[in-house]
Amino acid sequence: EAGVTQFPSHSVIEKGQTVTLRCDPISGHDNLYWYRRVMGKEIKFLLHFVKESKQDESGMPNNRFLAERTGGTYSTLKVQPAELEDSGVYFCASSQSRSGNTIYFGEGSWLTVV
Amino acid sequence: GNSVTQMEGPVTLSEEAFLTINCTYTATGYPSLFWYVQYPGEGLQLLLKATKADDKGSNKGFEATYRKETTSFHLEKGSVQVSDSAVYFCALERKGGSYIPTFGRGTSLIVHP
Repeated sequence: EAGVTQFPSHSVIEKGQTVTLRCDPISGHDNLYWYRRVMGKEIKFLLHFVKESKQDESGMPNNRFLAERTGGTYSTLKVQPAELEDSGVYFCASSQSRSGNTIYFGEGSWLTVV
Repeated sequence: GNSVTQMEGPVTLSEEAFLTINCTYTATGYPSLFWYVQYPGEGLQLLLKATKADDKGSNKGFEATYRKETTSFHLEKGSVQVSDSAVYFCALERKGGSYIPTFGRGTSLIVHP
């Protein structure tokens, strides 16, 4: 069974450009999460989808970040326009149900804004 | 609010040394506690968990005991291997029981042969 996959694995963009990160959860997982880790700091929660609905987006830093999950399958996280402080690792995770089940993480998308 | 504090890294040890990575938490109620590990080039993996006070989580030789009185969940291993080199994250279940982990900063472990 394929795990959570993320694309791209690494991205270097200039300040002001747009980047779109993609996450394919494990098949059948209704819950999908986005997290971000800025170098040396904690992994911070960004948002949580249940199927195609945003259940909790309290961690989204500002309106330059837009997450979508059309059809309740894969999800995208777009940063537009990117700023230097957006650099970090963006993790996607998925799980079968909200309570008690293990959350499976992807390998992360490393974003560097220069 | 909920938060997790981990010891600063990197922790550098020789093979077969004893490992302790400290973790303390602040939370309302009694959260579940977790240790995740990220090996080089891989995603985060759940290493172990404990859901109530005095529970001991264990996996792959690692152990951590849920200590309510000291609000701690320190990770220990009696004899580390080079293959244990990774970043270790302590986490707790987010308030409301929605099973969305709140993570610490991570502690890098480097084990030398």
